[in-house]
Amino acid sequence: QSVLTQPPSASGTPGQRVTISCSGSSSNIGFNTVNWYQQLPRTAPKLLIYSDNQRPSGVPDRFSGSKSGTSASLAISGLQSEDEADYYCAAWDDSLNDYVFGTGTKVTVL
Amino acid sequence: QLQLQQSGPGLVKPSETLSLICTVSAASISSGSYYWGWIRQPPGKGLEWIGSIYFSGSTYYNPSLKSRVTISVDTSKNQFSLKLSSVTAADTAVYYCARGMPLSMFPMDVWGKGTTVTVSS
Repeated sequence: QSVLTQPPSASGTPGQRVTISCSGSSSNIGFNTVNWYQQLPRTAPKLLIYSDNQRPSGVPDRFSGSKSGTSASLAISGLQSEDEADYYCAAWDDSLNDYVFGTGTKVTVL
Repeated sequence: QLQLQQSGPGLVKPSETLSLICTVSAASISSGSYYWGWIRQPPGKGLEWIGSIYFSGSTYYNPSLKSRVTISVDTSKNQFSLKLSSVTAADTAVYYCARGMPLSMFPMDVWGKGTTVTVSS
């Protein structure tokens, strides 16, 4: 049972904006930065967002991250078919001394 | 371009030790500035950090696995490895090696392709 909770699924039509939430606590999101990973089917995870809202080189600006208190969000604007994937938030947890991943959200493009 | 190539058996018997190697290409582990780690994903489930190592040999482990995990680095071969002892069926997963961003264990910005490990007799 992960300490970072995400909705199991999210969906949208091409071009729409989709938002994924990640709920944590003061020992993880509330005190440490949040990262987001994208996992396409049958592939390794890919870093999408780091330090709450920074995009690695090569990640489209359609992807954006934000954080407020003990929750974080990933937004995908201009949804595309290739965005169909599982998305995981992650953060260091000071109480557990563990790098914890969220429960994961499967994004479907309708 | 940095690549991580994983190797190791795909089948391990219960109670034995799982051993995997990650070979780094196009970069030197001993050049410093990076942490190297292992993450796993059981079938149909989410991601779990196993542990990380700095080129100097300093290690950091998931507390829930710490008693069974050893991560080591071989700078002469530009490799780092994972050993997980006393495995059970619950250790069946895809195992990934990955690199942390500069001067930080997390996040991991370069990943290996993954190795499927099944624990079964």
